[in-house]
Amino acid sequence: QKEVEQNSGPLSVPEGAIASLNCTYSDRVSQSFFWYRQYSGKSPELIMSIYSNGDKEDGRFTAQLNKASQYVSLLIRDSQPSDSATYLCAVTGVGGTSYGKLTFGQGTILTVHP
Amino acid sequence: DADVTQTPRNRITKTGKRIMLECSQTKGHDRMYWYRQDPGLGLRLIYYSFDVKDINKGEISDGYSVSRQAQAKFSLSLESAIPNQTALYFCATSDPSGSGDTQYFGPGTRLTVL
Repeated sequence: QKEVEQNSGPLSVPEGAIASLNCTYSDRVSQSFFWYRQYSGKSPELIMSIYSNGDKEDGRFTAQLNKASQYVSLLIRDSQPSDSATYLCAVTGVGGTSYGKLTFGQGTILTVHP
Repeated sequence: DADVTQTPRNRITKTGKRIMLECSQTKGHDRMYWYRQDPGLGLRLIYYSFDVKDINKGEISDGYSVSRQAQAKFSLSLESAIPNQTALYFCATSDPSGSGDTQYFGPGTRLTVL
């Protein structure tokens, strides 16, 4: 089982729709969770970070964390063509070999079509 | 000016050649990381450094070495490049005392080994 696994893509949604991206992780003691957006050929840029169970909203983006079920999701409301990118889920732990290191999922390609 | 810079941005080299990728940062962060990215595999950690005297192997360190010349500089070397090291390489920094485990990425170096 991969340490961090994202829903397989690519994901295609129409403009204005809600895009839902999911991520599961295997390490129960993981504490910090991140969503990065990466445009083709560019570096990852942070969209959201979440540390506590529940929802965290920032503009059109909502991150949801459920530590009991070991999943984290990202919702993009009113999707725009400019949201078309690869979305990377990343997780970090608190101790041992996970301390201070991010483990990334394989990424989900999102396409928003007009 | 960019906070995290990488040189060169693109490099084509031949099998067996030694090559160095350089990373510099003006963020004042102690922690620095080197990743490689291959299509469909997300980002994988090669080496990381929590301060100038602390160097650690990541999940795919074989065939690579690093040098932390100063807080602001972290170099990645391929002693004898091979074609399966063709990838996109990213440097990243983080500051656990500030923004937690958030990592900030450089623009990347596209390396091709022929």
